[in-house]
Amino acid sequence: DGGITQSPKYLFRKEGQNVTLSCEQNLNHDAMYWYRQDPGQGLRLIYYSQIVNDFQKGDIAEGYSVSREKKESFPLTVTSAQKNPTAFYLCASKAGQGGYGYTFGSGTRLTVV
Amino acid sequence: KQEVTQIPAALSVPEGENLVLNCSFTDSAIYNLQWFRQDPGKGLTSLLLIQSSQREQTSGRLNASLDKSSGRSTLYIAASQPGDSATYLCAVTGSGGYNKLIFGAGTRLAVHP
Repeated sequence: DGGITQSPKYLFRKEGQNVTLSCEQNLNHDAMYWYRQDPGQGLRLIYYSQIVNDFQKGDIAEGYSVSREKKESFPLTVTSAQKNPTAFYLCASKAGQGGYGYTFGSGTRLTVV
Repeated sequence: KQEVTQIPAALSVPEGENLVLNCSFTDSAIYNLQWFRQDPGKGLTSLLLIQSSQREQTSGRLNASLDKSSGRSTLYIAASQPGDSATYLCAVTGSGGYNKLIFGAGTRLAVHP
C-alpha cells in the first residue's frame, strides 16, 4: 500500500545537537510538507517542497533545514538554533498544485533531554 | 489571512448519538476542505475531502457538507461509537500561492458506552 513513512517514532535530542527526521513517500506525490504540532497551538507549517531540488520556508522555519534530493524523500533537520524543539512533527504529501488532498505520516515525537 | 475555527472544542456524548461538528473559515477562496481524524500520539487520517465545487461527501457513517459562500462546513457522525473517540481536525487548502493547508484547532470527541 502507498503511504508516508516517518522515522523514528520517538527521538531524543541533547542540548546543542542537530537531529534529522526522516520522511519517505511511495505515492509518487510531487509536493511534500513538514508540520509541527504543539498542544493547544494546532499544526504549523515549517517547510514545503513542490518539486525536487526546490523548497520554501513556511511559517516557522527558523532553526530548521530541509533537503529534497529525491522525489520520495524530504528529511527535516532540527538544528541547535531551534530553541524549543520539543514537539510532534508530521510530514505530509500532495499529488501536486491545486485541489488534491493531503496525506500525512504517523509522526515523530522529538524530546529535548 | 485565512482563519479556521472549530466548534465545539470538546464534546462528550453517550454511544449511539448523532453528532455535528462545525468548522468555519474566513476566506472563501479555497480549493477544498478536508476533515481529518487524529488519535492520541498518532498521525492524521484523512476522512473526507470536499472540493470547492461540491456540496457534500459521504463515507460510511460520516457526512461532510460545504457551504463555501458562507464559509462553513459540518461533519455529521451517525450512530456514534466509542471507537469514534478522537480529535477531529478541519483544514482548508487556499487557492493562492502554494496551496497552503490551514488547520482549525480541532474538536476533541469522547464517546462513552
